[in-house]
Amino acid sequence: GNSVTQMEGPVTLSEEAFLTINCTYTATGYPSLFWYVQYPGEGLQLLLKATKADDKGSNKGFEATYRKETTSFHLEKGSVQVSDSAVYFCALQGAQKLVFGQGTRLTINP
Amino acid sequence: AAGVIQSPRHLIKEKRETATLKCYPIPRHDTVYWYQQGPGQDPQFLISFYEKMQSDKGSIPDRFSAQQFSDYHSELNMSSLELGDSALYFCASSLRSGGEQYFGPGTRLTVT
Repeated sequence: GNSVTQMEGPVTLSEEAFLTINCTYTATGYPSLFWYVQYPGEGLQLLLKATKADDKGSNKGFEATYRKETTSFHLEKGSVQVSDSAVYFCALQGAQKLVFGQGTRLTINP
Repeated sequence: AAGVIQSPRHLIKEKRETATLKCYPIPRHDTVYWYQQGPGQDPQFLISFYEKMQSDKGSIPDRFSAQQFSDYHSELNMSSLELGDSALYFCASSLRSGGEQYFGPGTRLTVT
């Protein structure tokens, strides 16, 4: 079945550091890929998405490229801020349901 | 813009009690999904409905049931609650089955 594997956390960085959170997937067919962010005590917010190979999703300085050849969708940001501290989930959608990775807790120190 | 509405936001129940969670999708969205997120866990898919019919089923216990009504809102009914049912329950809706999902704020259920 479909599955998502995320880089294990937690990840702690200093403000303005470069961020990479790795995500790889296993799926049949051609799924859509997503990154969701969950701030403390809140729900899931869609951060960015890509629906086909080589698509690049971007939002709020975050980027991820759908790499079919490596089955990856790594999340990157060039300069993180304290306000980026949250849990990040990589997810894929095949026919209907979303399948999530285990989440990566990111803490940014000033 | 209107978002997915879930009620209640917080619910405390005792073991063996029942609970009903409600979800109101974004207007014109015809598909609803339910997910369960345990403490420190990733969200797990429970069940989905498209045009009032069950469209997919995940790891939903037999003690749980759900339905989608004619106005497209959905209810998740949970009986014989167990301590392990304590979790955040998310509802999401989409414009069509398999479309982009928009999440509600979740209902935090605590079973004591």
